[in-house]
Amino acid sequence: DQQVKQNSPSLSVQEGRISILNCDYTNSMFDYFLWYKKYPAEGPTFLISISSIKDKNEDGRFTVFLNKSAKHLSLHIVPSQPGDSAVYFCAATGANNLFFGTGTRLTVIP
Amino acid sequence: GAGVSQTPSNKVTEKGKYVELRCDPISGHTALYWYRQSLGQGPEFLIYFQGTGAADDSGLPNDRFFAVRPEGSVSTLKIQRTERGDSAVYLCASSSTGEGTEAFFGQGTRLTVV
Repeated sequence: DQQVKQNSPSLSVQEGRISILNCDYTNSMFDYFLWYKKYPAEGPTFLISISSIKDKNEDGRFTVFLNKSAKHLSLHIVPSQPGDSAVYFCAATGANNLFFGTGTRLTVIP
Repeated sequence: GAGVSQTPSNKVTEKGKYVELRCDPISGHTALYWYRQSLGQGPEFLIYFQGTGAADDSGLPNDRFFAVRPEGSVSTLKIQRTERGDSAVYLCASSSTGEGTEAFFGQGTRLTVV
């Protein structure tokens, strides 16, 4: 049972435009959400997070939005850069565990 | 080192053999996670340690898989009687408390069972 879902396996965006990556979750007990970025042959690296008491968190070009009623979060990257090309994983945590989505491969086209 | 270290980075083993995968977490991190990632999938939870004890081992697929963390630092994931379906990248992560804080990942161990 996939508790965190990323329904778009891939996304292509032109350099300079906005990238929007989406994530849905099913467990209402999740209270902290994270985005990880992964390059080939490397472990995931932490990108940005948001607590369930907030609906937006911004860090430079990266903004995460949380809609608790819809159990949905999104990651916005603007402006997108070629170096942002990677697989992005959404993750959620409640008590102890950390659950991941299946990832979205972002390709930023120069 | 400053990050999470996993050894070996690659392991090829024959079906039926026993393997051990090692994880050195970030110093002082009490929480340690093991994940398995197959091609095209997200990291799949295996086991979570808080200190020396396994707080949640519900992700271990069967009794061929076992993990220890005897001193609350280094952890070893042990797989007995390996099967070809065990081939995957095994990721280890650590975090300072395990609740509401980001986990830092190692580079993974790619296990190939032939």
